[in-house]
Amino acid sequence: SQQGEEDPQALSIQEGENATMNCSYKTSINNLQWYRQNSGRGLVHLILIRSNEREKHSGRLRVTLDTSKKSSSLLITASRAADTASYFCATDQGGNQFYFGTGTSLTVIP
Amino acid sequence: GAVVSQHPSWVICKSGTSVKIECRSLDFQATTMFWYRQFPKQSLMLMATSNEGSKATYEQGVEKDKFLINHASLTLSTLTVTSAHPEDSSFYICSARATGGTREKLFFGSGTQLSVL
Repeated sequence: SQQGEEDPQALSIQEGENATMNCSYKTSINNLQWYRQNSGRGLVHLILIRSNEREKHSGRLRVTLDTSKKSSSLLITASRAADTASYFCATDQGGNQFYFGTGTSLTVIP
Repeated sequence: GAVVSQHPSWVICKSGTSVKIECRSLDFQATTMFWYRQFPKQSLMLMATSNEGSKATYEQGVEKDKFLINHASLTLSTLTVTSAHPEDSSFYICSARATGGTREKLFFGSGTQLSVL
């Protein structure tokens, strides 16, 4: 399978805390992207990091990429109840294909 | 931002019938569309990649005669689940890849929940 893996599978934190989730993948990539999915809905693009980048920020999101370890992390700072959702990493492996990780279910408790 | 419309949002059908799901890019042209299947609390499994005007590329293990994909225009792709059975019940999501500067991102439809009785 070309699917990536994420951990933790589930994460529960208090509002205001930071949430960190990790993604590991298996092949070389052009870029890695993080998406968010609310229950029963489609996915929304959050942030993209290219293979030649190591860190990227967007608002309360911080993404890191370590291509030597084939891993990425997503940090959400100062979490809010509205951040409750599932988060997926997706790798663009070229060849016009995207493969998604197994996902992390985040619950932010008010 | 780019909008992808997918419908129906949910469908219930009898075993043996066929169901068509549409995926439209409303404000951009999508040279490539992807179809995913998602089981509860699981990740998205890529079923097939369709390019406008050509045959879809199916992932290993996906029956192309059962899941018919048509991408006849730059704004519309359809997935037809033929002779549906209860094991085909799932959440199906389409996504589109734009041309031009935003083509690195995927824009997703809101998904279709299929229940086969």
